[in-house]
Amino acid sequence: DIQMTQSPASLSASVGETVTITCRASENIYSYLAWYQQKQGKSPQLLVYNAKTLAEGVPSRFSGSGSGTQFSLKINSLQPEDFGSYYCQHHYGTPPTFGGGTKLEIK
Amino acid sequence: QIQLVQSGPELKKPGETVKISCKASGYTFTNYGMNWVKQAPGKGLKWMGWINTYTGEPTYADDFKGRFAFSLETSASTAYLQINNLKNEDTATYFCARWATMITDYWGQGTTLTVSS
Repeated sequence: DIQMTQSPASLSASVGETVTITCRASENIYSYLAWYQQKQGKSPQLLVYNAKTLAEGVPSRFSGSGSGTQFSLKINSLQPEDFGSYYCQHHYGTPPTFGGGTKLEIK
Repeated sequence: QIQLVQSGPELKKPGETVKISCKASGYTFTNYGMNWVKQAPGKGLKWMGWINTYTGEPTYADDFKGRFAFSLETSASTAYLQINNLKNEDTATYFCARWATMITDYWGQGTTLTVSS
């Protein structure tokens, strides 16, 4: 199975800052990577798929990049509603494993 | 609009069985697969498997073979997750999520299962 490693596990930032979350795959997954946001007590929401394609309705301050084994999610000008947990997941075959998650908290 | 509405919270004893439902609306049910994802309290997301809603064929992740069963009621656009012989470690929130060409795009609201004697 492909292992997905996310970093950092937690991150503290202020409104208006720019943050980057990284995800590393244990083998080449080309661009088959998605990012999800999950707020406390809610279901995950798709943000990005195919490494860099924003899902419908996702603000342009979110951007995804990378290919192969190294990926990142960048959030420009953090807004209060951006705080929560973020997960990467590959979609290159089964099982489509998730990263361990990054908890983004308000500083 | 596309919605996945799951059944309500469950409280069960070890050894019992639970069946969680996920009713889809807003799209053609049989055109998309359905994933199931487990989230233990305070933990991350774990893919349990998926069911092909056109053929009814389930695929289980290795950790979810044996006591877990996915099924369908296609006429009602509903997918089910059944867990037999419940254990304390099954305590978690379970999500159904639509699978569109390997991308999990819409999620149910989650069903919280508590297993306790």
